Amino acid sequence: GAVVSQHPSRVICKSGTSVKIECRSLDFQATTMFWYRQFPKQSLMLMATSNEGSKATYEQGVEKDKFLINHASLTLSTLTVTSAHPEDSSFYICSAPLGLGEQYFGPGTRLTVT
Amino acid sequence: AQKVTQAQTEISVVEKEDVTLDCVYETRDTTYYLFWYKQPPSGELVFLIRRNSFDEQNEISGRYSWNFQKSTSSFNFTITASQVVDSAVYFCALSFNDYKLSFGAGTTVTVRA
Repeated sequence: GAVVSQHPSRVICKSGTSVKIECRSLDFQATTMFWYRQFPKQSLMLMATSNEGSKATYEQGVEKDKFLINHASLTLSTLTVTSAHPEDSSFYICSAPLGLGEQYFGPGTRLTVT
Repeated sequence: AQKVTQAQTEISVVEKEDVTLDCVYETRDTTYYLFWYKQPPSGELVFLIRRNSFDEQNEISGRYSWNFQKSTSSFNFTITASQVVDSAVYFCALSFNDYKLSFGAGTTVTVRA
């Protein structure tokens, strides 16, 4: 079946630094990818839609200058958390749709900001 | 606006018991998709089922079964003869043709040996 990978799986960074998370569709092309965030013991919340070749669209309340999204190719979307703070510590998951209604999720990236 | 409600926060059962997870959704659209995902402690989401709004047939897959009732806007999930490996958080989700998923709050299932 279709596979979506994420890298890194875990990252620890210091407050004020930036972290880049990659999301790749391994055996299919994805003109659209989605980024979700999950705080501990909470549900997944959609952050933004990553669009290949154009700007990402962000959900209400998500700071676009803080969470930079780049979808440079049909198989790669990156999420950069800029000037990270402890409150950005979370589990970040990407997904890519394939076919009507089908969605494939990456394994997630656990970010810890110290 | 769409909304998914999983009223059960936590369910604890003893192995071999059946467990039913409730999911109620709200939408004004006539075309939509419903999903169930399992999230074990590793965090990775495991896809369980997808149903479109025009297919109300119930489904059984091994020990898993799903009951979709549009009349009550519910899409409930039953694990029969639960096992310790079924312990996880289970999410119900809703999407439309834009593929964006709205997740319920999740239900934590603990199966004790």
